[in-house]
Amino acid sequence: EDQVTQSPEALRLQEGESSSLNCSYTVSGLRGLFWYRQDPGKGPEFLFTLYSAGEEKEKERLKATLTKKESFLHITAPKPEDSATYLCAVQALYTGGFKTIFGAGTRLFVKA
Amino acid sequence: NAGVTQTPKFQVLKTGQSMTLQCAQDMNHNSMYWYRQDPGMGLRLIYYSASEGTTDKGEVPNGYNVSRLNKREFSLRLESAAPSQTSVYFCASSRQGNTEAFFGQGTRLTVV
Repeated sequence: EDQVTQSPEALRLQEGESSSLNCSYTVSGLRGLFWYRQDPGKGPEFLFTLYSAGEEKEKERLKATLTKKESFLHITAPKPEDSATYLCAVQALYTGGFKTIFGAGTRLFVKA
Repeated sequence: NAGVTQTPKFQVLKTGQSMTLQCAQDMNHNSMYWYRQDPGMGLRLIYYSASEGTTDKGEVPNGYNVSRLNKREFSLRLESAAPSQTSVYFCASSRQGNTEAFFGQGTRLTVV
């Protein structure tokens, strides 16, 4: 069964304390992996798309990487404004097309 | 630069009542989606429209209907609301089905 699991469920960091969020997946025929950021009371906001193992994308303090079984979202020297829920979504081949499966998210809290 | 606009933002229904959630996008995207988000779970696809004139069921379509009114608008209807449909509903759009999605602000629906 296709599955996307994000860990940890919640992560509390001090400002400047770097860490990583994990998204592991078991799907057949990966077409792409997406990272989104979601602030409370708002819709998810697109961050990155990764298509193949070994690919990396960066944006400010965020860096996303992809292997054949998982993706990491590395946060370097986080600031309080990085506090949000980070969602991972995997797009996989499916009979008749493809489907997108979202993980439950990691809630990140960064304390000043 | 409105992006994806959903109405209403909040709604309380009594069991058995019906309502329609409205969604419009101004990015000339081909694909549109309706998701629901429940605590501890990933976003789950209710219905999607790959292009104007087509609609397909997602993972959790029971109790819902959709209409792709034109390229811009995609509505979700609850014919007879049930407490299990209490959730936050997000509309999203993408240029094509395999590209990143842009989300609306969400509709928080409570069925009592």
